Amino acid sequence: DGGITQSPKYLFRKEGQNVTLSCEQNLNHDAMYWYRQDPGQGLRLIYYSQIVNDFQKGDIAEGYSVSREKKESFPLTVTSAQKNPTAFYLCASRVSRGYNEQFFGPGTRLTVL
Amino acid sequence: GQQLNQSPQSMFIQEGEDVSMNCTSSSIFNTWLWYKQDPGEGPVLLIALYKAGELTSNGRLTAQFGITRKDSFLNISASIPSDVGIYFCAGQLKGQGAQKLVFGQGTRLTINP
Repeated sequence: DGGITQSPKYLFRKEGQNVTLSCEQNLNHDAMYWYRQDPGQGLRLIYYSQIVNDFQKGDIAEGYSVSREKKESFPLTVTSAQKNPTAFYLCASRVSRGYNEQFFGPGTRLTVL
Repeated sequence: GQQLNQSPQSMFIQEGEDVSMNCTSSSIFNTWLWYKQDPGEGPVLLIALYKAGELTSNGRLTAQFGITRKDSFLNISASIPSDVGIYFCAGQLKGQGAQKLVFGQGTRLTINP
């Protein structure tokens, strides 16, 4: 069953703690993306990666970090430097160059207490 | 970053009515995508458009890539309760080599049975 999985669905952390969100895809897609969604707003790009061992900052990268050690995995770490981390986080992937369609995972809702 | 102006922000309609929403920008796009998001879930791709003037249907949904390449429209005919959700447009800017998408703010559709 091909798709994108994100875990966990809900995550609670205390203020000041780093937390890592998981994103795995078995679609053999080259590019992967992390977005943040706040209530009533569109999606804002945090980081993206077009190939293994390479990634670029998006529009709101401050306070976040990523790695791309394997093609199928693109974990996102929300660090204590992120001032307002409570949000819905979405991971997406894209098949290859020439195709712009991104496919999304189910999302992780992070709440920082 | 770049912004897409999506309108209306919300719609309240009766079941069976037709729905129209659009996205506009001052910039030229190579690709327009339309997504639907249910509460607490990731967006699902509905329609992808790649050519100016292109008109594409997916069941009761029809989307068009504007001739000027600066806008796109989504129509839903004979709405049903499962159409409820948030609809997002997304576009890839002309000359955007990094394959990033720009997202609209979303149109929230509510249907009265």
